Amino acid sequence: AQKVTQAQTEISVVEKEDVTLDCVYETRDTTYYLFWYKQPPSGELVFLIRRNSFDEQNEISGRYSWNFQKSTSSFNFTITASQVVDSAVYFCALSEVSGANSKLTFGKGITLSVRP
Amino acid sequence: DGGITQSPKYLFRKEGQNVTLSCEQNLNHDAMYWYRQDPGQGLRLIYYSQIVNDFQKGDIAEGYSVSREKKESFPLTVTSAQKNPTAFYLCASSSWRGASDTQYFGPGTRLTVL
Repeated sequence: AQKVTQAQTEISVVEKEDVTLDCVYETRDTTYYLFWYKQPPSGELVFLIRRNSFDEQNEISGRYSWNFQKSTSSFNFTITASQVVDSAVYFCALSEVSGANSKLTFGKGITLSVRP
Repeated sequence: DGGITQSPKYLFRKEGQNVTLSCEQNLNHDAMYWYRQDPGQGLRLIYYSQIVNDFQKGDIAEGYSVSREKKESFPLTVTSAQKNPTAFYLCASSSWRGASDTQYFGPGTRLTVL
């Protein structure tokens, strides 16, 4: 069975600090997809990124960057120069190809607080 | 604007009552999903539907029911059989029935049983 572990439960940083959110996954499949979502206080989950298992290139989008390493089954998320608006719960999720369904397995989330 | 709407935002229910949560999407997505979120927990899948008039149980379907009579709509009924219904409920949709597909979420409904 697939599993996603987000060992950090809460992180608090001061504005402008860099912060890395860890995600470790378990799967038996060779083809799978990894996702990060942001959940601000309003509650809606906002899609941030999708990465397939064959693409290990790191991705950068503005202040956000993602480091995917199959050797350690990790898909970590770094926010550079954090801002108060980054305060949210961040979820990592895994989707396997087996079967015809797009079924996501979520980690328990990391609550990030960015203080001014 | 395209998106997913859920109503109501807050819902209060007395024990023993059934209640229906609404989810509508105008993204022309084929698949729709219902998740439950409890404090400090990740999202858990309740039901999902790939096409109209068809749906499958997720990991925690007991005490819930759904229907998919229209492509745009996927209402969730929380029945009195659900032992601990107080939670945050999120609806999602995706355009294709594959593992690579990205799910997009609505704003959620917070259900409280009094």
